[in-house]
Amino acid sequence: SQELEQSPQSLIVQEGKNLTINCTSSKTLYGLYWYKQKYGEGLIFLMMLQKGGEEKSHEKITAKLDEKKQQSSLHITASQPSHAGIYLCGADIEGSARQLTFGSGTQLTVLP
Amino acid sequence: DSGVTQTPKHLITATGQRVTLRCSPRSGDLSVYWYQQSLDQGLQFLIQYYNGEERAKGNILERFSAQQFPDLHSELNLSSLELGDSALYFCASSVGYRNTEAFFGQGTRLTVV
Repeated sequence: SQELEQSPQSLIVQEGKNLTINCTSSKTLYGLYWYKQKYGEGLIFLMMLQKGGEEKSHEKITAKLDEKKQQSSLHITASQPSHAGIYLCGADIEGSARQLTFGSGTQLTVLP
Repeated sequence: DSGVTQTPKHLITATGQRVTLRCSPRSGDLSVYWYQQSLDQGLQFLIQYYNGEERAKGNILERFSAQQFPDLHSELNLSSLELGDSALYFCASSVGYRNTEAFFGQGTRLTVV
């Protein structure tokens, strides 16, 4: 969706490296959600951010919401092969009738 | 396991045909959402039902329809199928009618030949 831009589109990292995925909205954000998807499978809910400056962590994954920039970042520390997959950001944005608009996804490959 | 069950997992059908995809939401969830995921369009919201009534509509074609039954399971009907309808169709559910912390099923992969 052009309303929600994710970058990069794909990422290949060596195991143990840190990485960041960004999600930027062109409209006002009311809520931002991160999901992980294995190819061809369902989406696994990771985190939800609703307040500007909010930061949440789960294991080695941290997500932040910058309300002023209408942007969220997902940071993985010391990546592992189990982190590989497609990361999708979904957002409740202005004009979306409170439905989730999704980014195009970031394909993450972690090399052992 | 998200608790959302979708059947069938795979479906192969011919152009012009009609298919029905089924979704059982998590226990206690009143909202059901349908999404279509394709390579060119990404993940797109189709329609939402809340406690049996249509709540919101997204990019759903007129050839597609859905309903939510009293037991809260939902069906997505796709008719006059075209090659371009080949995609992964996801169902998600949440407790309320706001699309928050929605849990997704494993999807139904539809292939139209």
